Parts: sequence; C-alpha cells; structure tokens
Amino acid sequence: TQLLEQSPQFLSIQEGENLTVYCNSSSVFSSLQWYRQEPGEGPVLLVTVVTGGEVKKLKRLTFQFGDARKDSSLHITAAQPGDTGLYLCARGAGTASKLTFGTGTRLQVTL
Amino acid sequence: NAGVTQTPKFRILKIGQSMTLQCTQDMNHNYMYWYRQDPGMGLKLIYYSVGAGITDKGEVPNGYNVSRSTTEDFPLRLELAAPSQTSVYFCASPEGTEAFFGQGTRLTVV
Repeated sequence: TQLLEQSPQFLSIQEGENLTVYCNSSSVFSSLQWYRQEPGEGPVLLVTVVTGGEVKKLKRLTFQFGDARKDSSLHITAAQPGDTGLYLCARGAGTASKLTFGTGTRLQVTL
Repeated sequence: NAGVTQTPKFRILKIGQSMTLQCTQDMNHNYMYWYRQDPGMGLKLIYYSVGAGITDKGEVPNGYNVSRSTTEDFPLRLELAAPSQTSVYFCASPEGTEAFFGQGTRLTVV
C-alpha cells in the first residue's frame, strides 16, 4: 500500500492567520488532487496538480507540487471560518488507477 | 444531472443483519468506487469497478461485496454486519482526474 501521510492531523487557528498543510509519500505521483470535505458532505475537488514544481492558486489557497512529485502542500492565506473542514490529498484518480486518499488534515478557523 | 446518488442516508443495523447500500450515477461514467470513512479520518477504498461486469477489491474489502450489472448502479452489500463496519460510506465516480461523490450513508451497527 502506498500511503499518503498528511500533516498536521489537526489545526485550530484564528481568522486571519496563515497556515500550511502537507501531503507526503514515498512514491512518485502521476497526479495529485486536493479535496475539501465539510461535515455531512462528500469531498469536493479543489485542484489537481500534475507537473513537478507546479504551483496553482485558487483565491487565498496556494497549492504546490514538489519537484520530485512525491509531496505537495496547501497554503491558506488569511484563513476564514468558511475554510473550516477536512482537507484531503488524493492520488490516482480516473482512468486506470485506484483513487487513494491521504489521512486528512482537519482545520478549524475561529473568529 | 443528479450526479452520484446514494441511499439510504442513515441506517442502524443490528449485529449479523445484512443490507445493501445503493449508489447510482447518471453521468455514464465507467469508473465507480466505494469508500468508507471512519470519524476524523481519510477515506479507505473498499471496492471499485472499471465498467459494467467488472469489479475489484480495494484496500479494505473484507465483509463487503459488490456487483456492477449496469453502468449506472454499483450497490455495496454487507452480509453479516459487525460493529467494525460502523462508518460513513461514500460512493464516487470520476471524470478525468476529478471524483464526484455522493452525500454518503451513515451506518451504525449495534
């Protein structure tokens, strides 16, 4: 089993703070996705990264794919309570692969 | 398009009972997945299917069975429910690199 380890497991911060969560593996990804899951809902895709060193921005969220394609990070600038949720990285979606999820980072942003 | 639809949303089972979790997608996708998610954790793959008539085991298949007689439907069967199967179950179907999820079935085995 090729594990996806996420860190930290839990993060509680105040509104306006910045944060970074990480996703690491011992094996190379062909592509990596980040999802956010809110309570009582299924995960929703935020972004897909496919190229080593790639950086993608989604409003206040910045996603980076490591040069060796074994790790990725998600940075949130000026966190808001609406960012609260479970952040999951995943690899292998679609055509010929099993979609495998990381262990998750639970983020709580308070006023 | 409704996307991925799961039923029921909630269910309580007694130990040893059986049930089928339903999953239907109207996107004509070939791939479908079943996951379970334990509290505060990521998702673990139970079974997946690459098309009608084809299924394969994921990471945690024990205690479950699946079938895929049509492209639209991918039911998950629990034959002898155990407390360890208490979890939230998600069905998903990908398009390209994005997986679309149902809203989940919260199952409690007592």
